[in-house]
Amino acid sequence: KQEVTQIPAALSVPEGENLVLNCSFTDSAIYNLQWFRQDPGKGLTSLLLIQSSQREQTSGRLNASLDKSSGRSTLYIAASQPGDSATYLCAVRGGGPQRGGSNYKLTFGKGTLLTVNP
Amino acid sequence: SQTIHQWPATLVQPVGSPLSLECTVEGTSNPNLYWYRQAAGRGLQLLFYSVGIGQISSEVPQNLSASRPQDRQFILSSKKLLLSDSGFYLCAWTLARTSGISYNEQFFGPGTRLTVL
Repeated sequence: KQEVTQIPAALSVPEGENLVLNCSFTDSAIYNLQWFRQDPGKGLTSLLLIQSSQREQTSGRLNASLDKSSGRSTLYIAASQPGDSATYLCAVRGGGPQRGGSNYKLTFGKGTLLTVNP
Repeated sequence: SQTIHQWPATLVQPVGSPLSLECTVEGTSNPNLYWYRQAAGRGLQLLFYSVGIGQISSEVPQNLSASRPQDRQFILSSKKLLLSDSGFYLCAWTLARTSGISYNEQFFGPGTRLTVL
């Protein structure tokens, strides 16, 4: 059974700091990995999607990396801003029935609550 | 562009009452559809997913059910709500096959906050 862990559970940083959020997963046979952002009381917003064959994806100040063999991903946020304050969730999609899993489903971590202080 | 709608946004229901939450997707066809629940202090729990009309897979045995009467409509129901059904319910979709946007990227709706009293 796939398990996804996110460390730290909460992080508070001053504005302008670069930061890294970590995600680890137990089964490396994944189809892809997705990073989401969730604001309080809102749905999830997709930030970055990394296919299993890729090493990283970038969008603006965000960079996500994937090391499938070690079961790890990181989300790097450059020059953090107060508007970046939110919960960040990592999710992996299974490798498909040919690998004993389902590629229909995502397994989520519990998230990292990020607070960027002005 | 694709859009996903959920309603109602908030709902307060007494224990034992029925439930119907609706989700619709615009701008795509034949999506895979999902219902998740997010309880306070807990992670996202997948409840149901559907790969086509009338095709429902249940992930967690409970007093909830799901239906997909149309290609882009997904409904979450209960005949009698329990206190433990309180939570934030999220509908999501992915493309069923490779398309112009990222394959298998999942998109979420705005959610429904359900409080059972």
